[in-house]
Amino acid sequence: AQSVTQPDIHITVSEGASLELRCNYSYGATPYLFWYVQSPGQGLQLLLKYFSGDTLVQGIKGFEAEFKRSQSSFNLRKPSVHWSDAAEYFCAGSTGTASKLTFGTGTRLQVTL
Amino acid sequence: DTEVTQTPKHLVMGMTNKKSLKCEQHMGHRAMYWYKQKAKKPPELMFVYSYEKLSINESVPSRFSPECPNSSLLNLHLHALQPEDSALYLCASSQGQAVSGNTIYFGEGSWLTVV
Repeated sequence: AQSVTQPDIHITVSEGASLELRCNYSYGATPYLFWYVQSPGQGLQLLLKYFSGDTLVQGIKGFEAEFKRSQSSFNLRKPSVHWSDAAEYFCAGSTGTASKLTFGTGTRLQVTL
Repeated sequence: DTEVTQTPKHLVMGMTNKKSLKCEQHMGHRAMYWYKQKAKKPPELMFVYSYEKLSINESVPSRFSPECPNSSLLNLHLHALQPEDSALYLCASSQGQAVSGNTIYFGEGSWLTVV
């Protein structure tokens, strides 16, 4: 079955430290992959997306993600985390002409000062 | 401007009430979506409208009734809901229905509590 997996339910990092959130996918074809962020009580904001081409994707708020076909991964990274980055992060994917996004279970990021 | 506007932000309704959630976008998008999100869970797709026609219904109970009056508006009519329907309801839109080449933009959501 086509799926997106986020292995980490909860991650805590110190402000200023680097961050990597993991996302693994399982699709037969090259997937279209997204990272969304959701602050408490808010909707989802798109951070970045991968459709094709360059495997290193730059997004908003200083985030980037790298598509690695060999590892079936699309991990989200940020070199220096700010306290305002504390939120829930969702990886999502789909393929081809599908209109349905499949979301991972999310990773809650806590930032300590 | 990538904005999807949802009203109301909060709604409390009884199990016998009839209410509606509203969603509006002015990005010229032709696909619109309703998602349901329970606490600490990812969003789950409910309905997809493409060019104002219902194209996907993810086996949603009939107490949820979507409507797309025009290309900018999407409603979700609620009737005889159950307490377990309490959730955050997210509206979204995209240029086209296929995920390939299209980005889905989400609204802030409407918090629904059924009492």
